[in-house]
This record gives sequence, structure tokens and C-alpha cells, in this order.
Amino acid sequence: GQSLEQPSEVTAVEGAIVQINCTYQTSGFYGLSWYQQHDGGAPTFLSYNALDGLEETGRFSSFLSRSDSYGYLLLQELQMKDSASYFCAHGGYQKVTFGTGTKLQVIP
Amino acid sequence: NAGVMQNPRHLVRRRGQEARLRCSPMKGHSHVYWYRQLPEEGLKFMVYLQKENIIDESGMPKERFSAEFPKEGPSILRIQQVVRGDSAAYFCATIEAGNEQFFGPGTRLTVL
Repeated sequence: GQSLEQPSEVTAVEGAIVQINCTYQTSGFYGLSWYQQHDGGAPTFLSYNALDGLEETGRFSSFLSRSDSYGYLLLQELQMKDSASYFCAHGGYQKVTFGTGTKLQVIP
Repeated sequence: NAGVMQNPRHLVRRRGQEARLRCSPMKGHSHVYWYRQLPEEGLKFMVYLQKENIIDESGMPKERFSAEFPKEGPSILRIQQVVRGDSAAYFCATIEAGNEQFFGPGTRLTVL
């Protein structure tokens, strides 16, 4: 089977940096993606890692270590609008499995 | 993504009724994924379809649930004889080249 584990909740201060971790167990590997979902909204794609290392997209960065079956999403210069749920996900064209999700609360 | 449309956005059904959820992918996209999301939980894969074909339905309950993506028209997720446990948000998504899935706004199903 496939499973992706994340911390359930994280709280951080506006302007700070926060890291959301994802550990996974998969049969085969097709890359790790990250999605953001605001309450009541649809998930939106943030980033994708196929290979080890860091991918940077503006304030958001995502890291992958395939040997450790581990990745993280790094959010810098936190803004109140970043308060949302964040999901790691595995898979591409075939079945996609989402992680348990991390609810991020940004406080003033 | 605004290009993926789902309707209705909200659907209320009584136990035992049928629910039909529609998904129109972005023009030119021929892959559709359906997910279910219970309150305060993650997205659970249900089914992956291409035009006129079910590719992977490993996440679909064996009874009462069915999905199709005909040659013409939207993809349909059909739930027969709904029960309260079917109350959830149902999202469809499409994918083209790459690994980014584009999600529709979802249908919130409430079973009374």
C-alpha cells in the first residue's frame, strides 16, 4: 500500500518560516507534489519534486530525499493568507495518493 | 483551476435517493480523477478515467458508486441509495503534461 504522513497542525507567526514534513511509504516512486487548500476551496498545486534536492518557487520551496522517503514544504515570509491545509501527494498520471494533510495557522 | 467545472456545487439528498455529480474538464483534457474529502480529512482517490475508459477504480466502494466519462459530455459520478456517510466534498481533477493536477471547485453533498 501507499501512505504519506504529515503533522496534523502547525502554528507559526506572520513573517516567520515554517517547514511542513512528509514521510511516505510507496510501492514505486513517481515524485512528490504539494498542494494548498483553503477552507471550503479546491486544492491548488504548489510544487513537484521528481529528484532529490530543493525546488524553489517564490516564497515556497520543496525538498525531497528519496533515500529517506522524506520531503518537506518550506514557506518563508509567512502571510496571514497562507493559513490553509497543505497536502503532500504521490503519483502522476496514474492513481494519486494524498497525505493526511497539515493545517497551518498563521498568527499575527 | 477555473477551467475545471463541477456541478452542482451543493447537493442535498435524502437517504435512499440518487446523487449525480458532474465534472467538465478543461478543453482538450481527456483524463479525469475523482476524489472524496470528508470534513477535516484528506483527499481520498476514488477513480481515474479517460474518455470512455475506466483506468483505475481501486478507490471506489464496490457497491452503489459508479463513474463514467463518455465520448461526449461531462464525467459523471453516480451514487445510488445514498446514506449519511456519503456526505462529503467530491472533487474532480484533470491532468495534462507534467504532474500538476487541476481541481474543480467541488460538489458538497449532504445526505439528510
